[in-house]
Amino acid sequence: GQQLNQSPQSMFIQEGEDVSMNCTSSSIFNTWLWYKQDPGEGPVLLIALYKAGELTSNGRLTAQFGITRKDSFLNISASIPSDVGIYFCAGPIQGAQKLVFGQGTRLTINP
Amino acid sequence: EAQVTQNPRYLITVTGKKLTVTCSQNMNHEYMSWYRQDPGLGLRQIYYSMNVEVTDKGDVPEGYKVSRKEKRNFPLILESPSPNQTSLYFCASSLLSGTEKLFFGSGTQLSVL
Repeated sequence: GQQLNQSPQSMFIQEGEDVSMNCTSSSIFNTWLWYKQDPGEGPVLLIALYKAGELTSNGRLTAQFGITRKDSFLNISASIPSDVGIYFCAGPIQGAQKLVFGQGTRLTINP
Repeated sequence: EAQVTQNPRYLITVTGKKLTVTCSQNMNHEYMSWYRQDPGLGLRQIYYSMNVEVTDKGDVPEGYKVSRKEKRNFPLILESPSPNQTSLYFCASSLLSGTEKLFFGSGTQLSVL
């Protein structure tokens, strides 16, 4: 079935650094979603992308819908402690009534 | 406040003892779903429901049951829990379908001894 592979699986950075992570698939997706899970909470939608090549920002977060429609990227600029958490990419499986999620990228920030 | 509410947040039980995790949403959403989260595996769908009395299996339905008697509630039932069902469970809902933005509950951490 369709799977999403996220990279890296974990990141340990210093506060203030920029962060880049990506999500790839062997299948085409028409929508890409990026979620963040704070410790002890459920995932919350950060950014939704609907068009190949689209670049969308939400504060210090910027996400891109890859031209091939098989990948997506999330960047965080000038990281702060509250950026800690797990970031998930997700895409809809047409006809299956569900989102498929990547394995997640766990972000840890050293103050 | 628009939200998805799960209870309990934490649950420790023993093998074979039936349990129910409740889920309720106050957004009048048609679609509801259950996911489990395990390290290195991300979120995997257990069951979903498109509307009242309409439920279907997700990717990992074995050992679970659900019901959708009312639009707002979607309980997850483990008739005979086993240790491999130890996991973090999330209920989610969306307005119309499972391919839209999902709103998640805060999760239920289940340990089966």
